[in-house]
Amino acid sequence: QKEVEQDPGPLSVPEGAIVSLNCTYSNSAFQYFMWYRQYSRKGPELLMYTYSSGNKEDGRFTAQVDKSSKYISLFIRDSQPSDSATYLCAMSGPSNYQLIWGAGTKLIIKP
Amino acid sequence: NAGVTQTPKFQVLKTGQSMTLQCAQDMNHNSMYWYRQDPGMGLRLIYYSASEGTTDKGEVPNGYNVSRLNKREFSLRLESAAPSQTSVYFCASSGGAEGYTFGSGTRLTVV
Repeated sequence: QKEVEQDPGPLSVPEGAIVSLNCTYSNSAFQYFMWYRQYSRKGPELLMYTYSSGNKEDGRFTAQVDKSSKYISLFIRDSQPSDSATYLCAMSGPSNYQLIWGAGTKLIIKP
Repeated sequence: NAGVTQTPKFQVLKTGQSMTLQCAQDMNHNSMYWYRQDPGMGLRLIYYSASEGTTDKGEVPNGYNVSRLNKREFSLRLESAAPSQTSVYFCASSGGAEGYTFGSGTRLTVV
């Protein structure tokens, strides 16, 4: 079993829908949680960063961490075709900042 | 504001040829990483360097070598390329808990 599980999709939704992307993990020592966005033929770029539990909001994006359930989520409101990309979750522990990655979910927003 | 620069962007090699992928960062980061990304496999860590003067194997190091030339530069060498090394290679750097910055990738085809 992988340390971080993420459904690879693809997930296809109509423009304007609310998108929910999720990852589960097994290591309770993880403290730093991130979401990266990767457009086709580009490198991953950091989208959201959260320390420990709770929510963080940035524009149309909300990152949620539930450490008791070992579950993290990324919500995208009012989704746009430009949000079509692969979204990767990543996390690390308190002393070793080496990231453990999910497989990535391919998201397609249909106009 | 260059961030992480990778060269070359594209390369075609014949089986058995050698080549070096170059990576340089201008963010004064201590840690640098080499990943490969294949369809359905996510990001897989090849080698990393936690600080200048140190290198360590990742998940898939066989067939590769690395050199941390100085704090800025981290190169990846394929001594005898094989078709199984056809992939997209990403270099990344990190200054701590705030995540990685990635380069734009090298698309390598071995025929």
